[in-house]
Amino acid sequence: QVQLVQSGGEVKKPGASVKVSCKASGYTFTSHAINWVRQAPGQGLEWMGWINTYNGNTNYAQNFQGRVTMTTDTSTNTAYMELRSLRSDDTAVYYCARGENDYWGQGTLVTVSS
Amino acid sequence: DIVMTQTPLSSPVTLGQPASISCRSSQSLVHSDGNTYLSWLQQRPGQPPRLLIYKISNRFSGVPDRFSGSGAGTDFTLEISRVEAEDVGVYYCMQTTQFPLTFGPGTKVDIK
Repeated sequence: QVQLVQSGGEVKKPGASVKVSCKASGYTFTSHAINWVRQAPGQGLEWMGWINTYNGNTNYAQNFQGRVTMTTDTSTNTAYMELRSLRSDDTAVYYCARGENDYWGQGTLVTVSS
Repeated sequence: DIVMTQTPLSSPVTLGQPASISCRSSQSLVHSDGNTYLSWLQQRPGQPPRLLIYKISNRFSGVPDRFSGSGAGTDFTLEISRVEAEDVGVYYCMQTTQFPLTFGPGTKVDIK
């Protein structure tokens, strides 16, 4: 069965970076893109970007341009999202989802606090 | 960017009664390939989002048939024919016709 399993929660200080992983199983990894979506506490869903797992092409939301990098490791069927220069308002649950948004990871809580 | 709006933002419903959520996009969601990439997601409390409906009206695998989607162009509707207790949560419409992908603000469905 299709599964996306994300890395565990992180606590970071302002200005630091975080890298969240999303390990896929149950399907051909390079046949489906990966979206990254975040959700601040009590708020709605915000799309961060998309990565083509076949060729590595990316498309980032304007709000994250210059601060986010999405990558994949096809040898381990894992997608990564790195967010830099963290601020307190980056505190959120970060989700990966298969490109069609049909399967989602369990979410990774990233807390940014001094 | 395509802006997605939803009404109502909150919907208290009686068990067994129908519920309806509207979603409107700021521009047509018809893709150049002829498809309309409008999806509905359900997020139960403490859970990740779950795909219910894709391309306006297609139920995803395992989704009960009390959920249905309709619409065209810029106006779309999610209907629940008879609300059950497990349907409590927030419902989002989402467009994947063009980047950046965008979500509606969410509609909270709870039981009266």
